[in-house]
Amino acid sequence: GQQVMQIPQYQHVQEGEDFTTYCNSSTTLSNIQWYKQRPGGHPVFLIQLVKSGEVKKQKRLTFQFGEAKKNSSLHITATQTTDVGTYFCAVLDDFNKFYFGSGTKLNVKP
Amino acid sequence: DAGITQSPRHKVTETGTPVTLRCHQTENHRYMYWYRQDPGHGLRLIHYSYGVKDTDKGEVSDGYSVSRSKTEDFLLTLESATSSQTSVYFCAIRTDTEAFFGQGTRLTVV
Repeated sequence: GQQVMQIPQYQHVQEGEDFTTYCNSSTTLSNIQWYKQRPGGHPVFLIQLVKSGEVKKQKRLTFQFGEAKKNSSLHITATQTTDVGTYFCAVLDDFNKFYFGSGTKLNVKP
Repeated sequence: DAGITQSPRHKVTETGTPVTLRCHQTENHRYMYWYRQDPGHGLRLIHYSYGVKDTDKGEVSDGYSVSRSKTEDFLLTLESATSSQTSVYFCAIRTDTEAFFGQGTRLTVV
């Protein structure tokens, strides 16, 4: 199956600090998606990246897809307590299996 | 949330008993997925479906079976529940651009 490694597993930051999570694949991806799960909630879609080298922004969130389409990152500038949660990347394989990375749990200290 | 409902939302069952979890959607999406979520493991794919009566195994399918006799319903069955199947179970539907998740079912096997 599709193996997607996500690091780090946990990140504790002070409010106002930046945060980055990374996903890496051993194979070339057709696209990658990012999701956020608040504590006690369900994953919610954030964005999909499709093109090599693509960069997309949503307010303080910046998403990148690597030139070789084997890695991706999510960067949050100046974290806020509302950013608390677990961030997952997700990829679709050739057989329509939809795999998630292990997630990065973000804790923001006020 | 693409009209996805999971039932039950919480269940406590005894080891060795059969358990069925239901995922219901209202928008006729083709692809449906079952995941389990455990601390440190992210979301792991159990089974998925690409149409009525078309299902396939995921990463952690042992001890689970599924059925999809109608587009709108995707059932996950634990034939004989074990304590290792204590988990939070999420159902998801996938469109071409994103996935939508149900609220989750918290299953405890005692």
